[in-house]
Order: sequence, then C-alpha cells, then structure tokens
Amino acid sequence: SAVISQKPSRDICQRGTSLTIQCQVDSQVTMMFWYRQQPGQSLTLIATANQGSEATYESGFVIDKFPISRPNLTFSTLTVSNMSPEDSSIYLCSALQGLYNEQFFGPGTRLTVL
Amino acid sequence: DQQVKQNSPSLSVQEGRISILNCDYTNSMFDYFLWYKKYPAEGPTFLISISSIKDKNEDGRFTVFLNKSAKHLSLHIVPSQPGDSAVYFCAASAIPGILIQGAQKLVFGQGTRLTINP
Repeated sequence: SAVISQKPSRDICQRGTSLTIQCQVDSQVTMMFWYRQQPGQSLTLIATANQGSEATYESGFVIDKFPISRPNLTFSTLTVSNMSPEDSSIYLCSALQGLYNEQFFGPGTRLTVL
Repeated sequence: DQQVKQNSPSLSVQEGRISILNCDYTNSMFDYFLWYKKYPAEGPTFLISISSIKDKNEDGRFTVFLNKSAKHLSLHIVPSQPGDSAVYFCAASAIPGILIQGAQKLVFGQGTRLTINP
C-alpha cells in the first residue's frame, strides 16, 4: 500500500491568514482526495485532486476557500484560505491505488485557528 | 442527510471477548463497504472491505457481515485485544473498480470509539 506523508502535522494560525498543506505519496497513484474531520465528526470529502486539471469539489466546498493543486501523480496541496475558527479541523489527504476503493490516508494535519 | 450511520458513539468490551460494531446506510446505490481504524494523531487505516455480491468477508480476527436487505453491516473482532482500542469508521461507495468521476467517493459514518478492557 502507498505510504502518505503530510506537512505540517499541526499548526496554530491566526484568523484571516492562509495555510497550505502538502501531501506526498511514495508511489504513483490514480486518484488523490482531501478530507476534513471536524471535532467529534466524521470524515467529510472536500474535493478530488485531479492531476493536471482543476479539482472537483463536493457540495459546500469552493475553490476560493480551498484551492487545491496536483502537479503530478505523487503530490498535492490544499490551501485553507482566509481562515476562521470554524476551519479548525483535521485535514487528511488520501490516495487510491488500483481499481478498488481502498483509500489510504495520510496522518492528517491538525489545524487550530485562533 | 447522514447516508452512513454508526449509532453507537462508543463501545466497551472485555479483552478476549467479541467486539461487534454496527453501521447502517440509506443509499441503495452503495455497493462497496469498508471499515477503517483510527488511532489518535494518525490517519485512518484500512481494515477490511466487502462488496455487495458477498454477505461475509473474513480476514484473521476481523469479519465483516453485510445484510443488503436491511442496509446494515457489522464488523466483528474476535478475540478482542487491547491494541484494538481505537475509533472505527465504516464507509461506503457506489461503484467499486470503475475509474469514473465520483465513483470512488467514500461516505463515512461518524465513528465508534472501541475500548478493550484488560
């Protein structure tokens, strides 16, 4: 299975600033995803990171707030823009290898917005 | 609309006994189901999956049962060990094995915190 790393592992940010989270996979993968887990909640899909094209966002998430890049088959970034305390969450990237939906997750980035 | 539900936020089981975690879903288009385990400060780890053509899948101490008519699945862990203490998420997707947009989208339940007592 793919090994996924994320940077930073955690951060404390001020309201109104932006943070970019990096996700690196140790092998080429077919698809990459970004999830959010708010305190006490389930994992919610933010978007699918498409290689070489714009990400596909889920309902309730927009590109201006969560711009995503995926320049190649092993790397993606998620930016949380103009942050507010409501953005305090764990942000996770995941990757899909092969044909079956057994997504593998990174360790997550714990974001606290003051 | 919560399409995947885990109605028990927590479960406590004696070491060596069976742990049973339950999950219900509402979307009849779901065709593939997965269980993930999550330790604090780590990402979810894939445990076991089942497609709708089966009603049971077993992998060592872990067995997943699927009842399509009831839209219900369960994860059995036997015997339970202290290292099994974690949050368990069930997840569902619509179409396995097809690389079309949206087919790989996973919908997660809220999670059940399992504690194994020595």
